[in-house]
Amino acid sequence: GAGVSQSPRYKVAKRGQDVALRCDPISGHVSLFWYQQALGQGPEFLTYFQNEAQLDKSGLPSDRFFAERPEGSVSTLKIQRTQQEDSAVYLCASSPGQSLWETQYFGPGTRLLVL
Amino acid sequence: AQKITQTQPGMFVQEKEAVTLDCTYDTSDQSYGLFWYKQPSSGEMIFLIYQGSYDEQNATEGRYSLNFQKARKSANLVISASQLGDSAMYFCAMREPFTGGGNKLTFGTGTQLKVEL
Repeated sequence: GAGVSQSPRYKVAKRGQDVALRCDPISGHVSLFWYQQALGQGPEFLTYFQNEAQLDKSGLPSDRFFAERPEGSVSTLKIQRTQQEDSAVYLCASSPGQSLWETQYFGPGTRLLVL
Repeated sequence: AQKITQTQPGMFVQEKEAVTLDCTYDTSDQSYGLFWYKQPSSGEMIFLIYQGSYDEQNATEGRYSLNFQKARKSANLVISASQLGDSAMYFCAMREPFTGGGNKLTFGTGTQLKVEL
């Protein structure tokens, strides 16, 4: 079966541009997570969806970051007016439900470089 | 305060030897899950092994085992019979509940493992 997919895999943006990153979770997975991974660091939580509801967005670094999952499947992370500090790998993960015991399955990530 | 601490930035091991990657965690919750992920240079995060806070036995998955010491709040990963393909970054992570529903993973800073001939 298909895993989590993300597009684009690589994105170069000029400072000030808006970008949109897409995540296709594993079919039927209820929970969807976005993480940001800076170079040489572990991933850091950005936001969480249960179906279409965004239950936690406490990790979003500023109001320039916005995420949605309107139909409870595909999700988009949008970054407005990108800054150099936004350069990172953005990882999407999904899990079947919301139990603590469930594994989160990660996509390959989108590597964003802001010039 | 860091919730997940991995004190070994880099480790070397010879092929076919066993290696232990350290992880300590901090939580006041009674219910939580501990995970180890492998991240090769290609960047994908690969799930390796899971340990629940209420599990009495240490988790094992093939060549991977988790040495869970709850009182010491440690969850070390043991890789037996190392292979060249095990060279990668390894992350320890904890999943714990938070108010409002759902949960999230908190990751450590990782350990870069290099397997040598």
